[in-house]
Amino acid sequence: GAVVSQHPSRVICKSGTSVKIECRSLDFQATTMFWYRQFPKKSLMLMATSNEGSKATYEQGVEKDKFLINHASLTLSTLTVTSAHPEDSSFYICSARVFWTGVEKLFFGSGTQLSVL
Amino acid sequence: AQSVTQPDIHITVSEGASLELRCNYSYGATPYLFWYVQSPGQGLQLLLKYFSGDTLVQGIKGFEAEFKRSQSSFNLRKPSVHWSDAAEYFCAVGPNDYKLSFGAGTTVTVRA
Repeated sequence: GAVVSQHPSRVICKSGTSVKIECRSLDFQATTMFWYRQFPKKSLMLMATSNEGSKATYEQGVEKDKFLINHASLTLSTLTVTSAHPEDSSFYICSARVFWTGVEKLFFGSGTQLSVL
Repeated sequence: AQSVTQPDIHITVSEGASLELRCNYSYGATPYLFWYVQSPGQGLQLLLKYFSGDTLVQGIKGFEAEFKRSQSSFNLRKPSVHWSDAAEYFCAVGPNDYKLSFGAGTTVTVRA
């Protein structure tokens, strides 16, 4: 079964509204989660590293005020796209760094397709 | 800076035929290299990874990849493709297991 659950899988919203995407680590604690973004036929780009209980670390060029990341517990990280605009339309994926059978591994969510009208 | 190029956007292969997916990377030091697969509605699943040792790496589902430092390549191969191998494949590079840069992906279609 899935180790990481990402929700919703697809969301359509109006321009100017905010959208929250959840990434849950199922049955495992994830001190670190990662958020990626993919434009059509482009590379999956790391946006930020989310650490439980501390501020997220954003990659260069990613607006931290636009993409709010909260990692309030060891099993949940959220990405909020604030005041979304059509150019924010993209595919967003999270991953979680967990201990799996004694070894640290990276598991991915199934992604969220965001469409901003 | 690290980057990955997957030259083939889409590959169609007959079931039972061999498959090779190309990956070229740019990285300043010894990289961690990965191949991930994503089926529709599923998360990315690790097929195999390379950091050191034997340059021919065996992965799950019958896949293997060969690291060629001189060519900055890490091509993925499978001798005989099954219909269930139809998916999107991503090559990735990074300084460790977590901070990865991905290629744009190659979509594999398997025809009967």
